[in-house]
This record gives sequence, C-alpha cells and structure tokens, in this order.
Amino acid sequence: QSVLTQPPSVSGAPGQRVTISCTGSSSNIGAGYDVHWYQQLPGTAPKLLIYDNNNRPSGVPDRFSGSKSGTSASLAITGLQAEDETDYYCQSYDSSLSGSVFGGGTQLTVL
Amino acid sequence: QLQLQESGPGLVKPSETLSLTCTVSGDSISSSTYYWGWIRQPPGKGLEWIGSISHSGSTYYNPTLKSRVSISVDTSKKQFSLKLSSVTAADTAVHYCARQKAHSYRVDWFDPWGQGTLVTVSS
Repeated sequence: QSVLTQPPSVSGAPGQRVTISCTGSSSNIGAGYDVHWYQQLPGTAPKLLIYDNNNRPSGVPDRFSGSKSGTSASLAITGLQAEDETDYYCQSYDSSLSGSVFGGGTQLTVL
Repeated sequence: QLQLQESGPGLVKPSETLSLTCTVSGDSISSSTYYWGWIRQPPGKGLEWIGSISHSGSTYYNPTLKSRVSISVDTSKKQFSLKLSSVTAADTAVHYCARQKAHSYRVDWFDPWGQGTLVTVSS
C-alpha cells in the first residue's frame, strides 16, 4: 500500500483533458512538501515530468501541468495524444518516514 | 550531459546479498545540492524508493528496508553502491539509480535516472 494514493487508471479521448490525482497526508503533501511527477513509458526508466508541484523540465510540453492543494496534488494533461498513453507516478517527501514516497502509479489510456 | 549506469549480477540466490553499483558520468558526483538514490520496481508493479546518499556519505533509507540496506559512495570512482541483504523472491525487481535534488532537511525529485537493471532472486 503506497503512502501516496493515485487512481489505478484514467482514460480520455484524443484532444481531451485528463487529470490524475495524488492524495497524501499531513506528513507529506499536507505538510507543504513538494510533489513531483514522472512518466514511465513501457520498458524504460521513469522520466521527470513535473517538479516542485508545477514546474516543467526543459523539453516537457506545456500540455502537462501540475497543481497542489492541501493534502493532494494533480497532474493535468491537455490536448491528449496517443503517445501520452503510459504510466504516471507522483512522489513527495514524508517527514514521518524521513524519506521519499511514491504513489502507486496511474495507467493512462487514450481511447 | 549527466548519465548513470547500473551494474551488477542479474541473479541472486535467496538469503544472499544483492549488490549493485551505479557509475556517474558527465558531471561531478560531489555536488552538495544532490543526493544519489536507488529505486526499485517489481515486475508489473510500482516504484519503491530504497535509499539515498550524499557525496559525503550521509544517508536516507526507506524504513521498511533499513535493516537490510546499505548504500555507500566512492567519489574517486564516481560510483555509489547498494547492498541488500537476506533477499527473498519479493526482492526481485528492476533497480534504478538516479540523481536526487537535496535540501538541508529533505530530498526531492529524481533526475536523471539510469536505464535500470533487473535483479532476480532465485535458487
């Protein structure tokens, strides 16, 4: 059971907007620690997609955005494309565990 | 451009110790703004953080693995290493090494990641 909770799957049609939630607690997201998002294509290493809640590394399209409020965070993908169909993970720091924690991952399906 | 590469045995027997090394190239391993971490992913499952180390040897470990994990660093070789003792089949996973952003009281995002190496625990 992951410390951060993500929906196992989400879906959307091409061109639509989807969001993936990441729910934590008062010892991680709710404590003010930043949330980061990764995209993992099949058979490859995760790639940093969003860092510090809402910042995109160089090369990440602006179709991807992040937000945080209270004990939760969200990843939004607009203008959904077939290439976006893959797995997404959130990550933060947990003060009770004194370390990094990941969400269980969300599989995005483009209909 | 910073690159990380994992190396080590792909097969470990139950009750033995898993040992992996990550070699860093393209940048210094001695920056004070980064830690160096290990993350694993069992087949078909999610990511699990194992632990992280600074260039000076300060460590963070996942509490659920802490009793079996040891991470060390050799700055002269630009390498950091993972040892996980008393392994079982449940430790079978792709293991990734990654650079991790550090602050004075916490560690943050991982980037970049190595390509990963599968370690299977089986007799």
